[in-house]
Amino acid sequence: SQKIEQNSEALNIQEGKTATLTCNYTNYSPAYLQWYRQDPGRGPVFLLLIRENEKEKRKERLKVTFDTTLKQSLFHITASQPADSATYLCALDMGSASKIIFGSGTRLSIRP
Amino acid sequence: TAGITQAPTSQILAAGRSMTLRCTQDMRHNAMYWYRQDLGLGLRLIHYSNTAGTTGKGEVPDGYSVSRANTDDFPLTLASAVPSQTSVYFCASSDSTGGSLNEQFFGPGTRLTVL
Repeated sequence: SQKIEQNSEALNIQEGKTATLTCNYTNYSPAYLQWYRQDPGRGPVFLLLIRENEKEKRKERLKVTFDTTLKQSLFHITASQPADSATYLCALDMGSASKIIFGSGTRLSIRP
Repeated sequence: TAGITQAPTSQILAAGRSMTLRCTQDMRHNAMYWYRQDLGLGLRLIHYSNTAGTTGKGEVPDGYSVSRANTDDFPLTLASAVPSQTSVYFCASSDSTGGSLNEQFFGPGTRLTVL
C-alpha cells in the first residue's frame, strides 16, 4: 500500500535561515502533492499544491519541489521567522476523494 | 464566511455510550471527510462523501458511521465508544468537481476522550 514519510518529527532552526522539510513516498506517484500548516489546537490549513508534471512551485517565501524519480517532495521556507513555527503536513492526492494520504508531520521551530 | 464548523469542541464520553460529532460547511463543497489525528500517526481518513446521498469508507472506518443527507452537513456517529477512539477528530471539505483541485478545508476539530 502507499506509504508516506516526513523526514523528521521536529526541526529547529535559526531565524533568517531556510527551513527544508522532506516528504518521501513509496509505490506509485500521486496526481498531486499538497502541503499544509497546522498550529496547535487547530485544523490544518492548505499552503501549496504541486502536480506530478511540475518540478517546482513558489508562493511568497515558500517553495515546493516534486521529484517523481526520487519519490520525494521538498518544502522550503526562506528567511524563516518565529511565526513560521508550526507543524507542516504533506499529503499525497491520488486524484479521488478517498485517496488522500497524510504524513504524520514535521514540527518546525524557528528560534529568534 | 464561517467555512467549516464542528461541535462539540471537546467531549469526555463513557465507554459504551454513543455520540454524534457534528460538522457543517457553508462553502457548498461537494466532498466532505472525517479524519482522526493521533500522535505519531498523522491524519487518518475515517469516512468520506463525494456528494450528498453517498458515502464511502476510508482507512479506519470500523466503529464509525456517517450520513450525508444534504450538501452542508456530515455527522459522524460512534455507536458504542471504546477507549481506542480517544482522538482529535477533524472534518474537512473540498470542491472536487471537474477542473478543481482537491485542496481541503478543515474544521477546528473535536477532542474526544473515551473513558
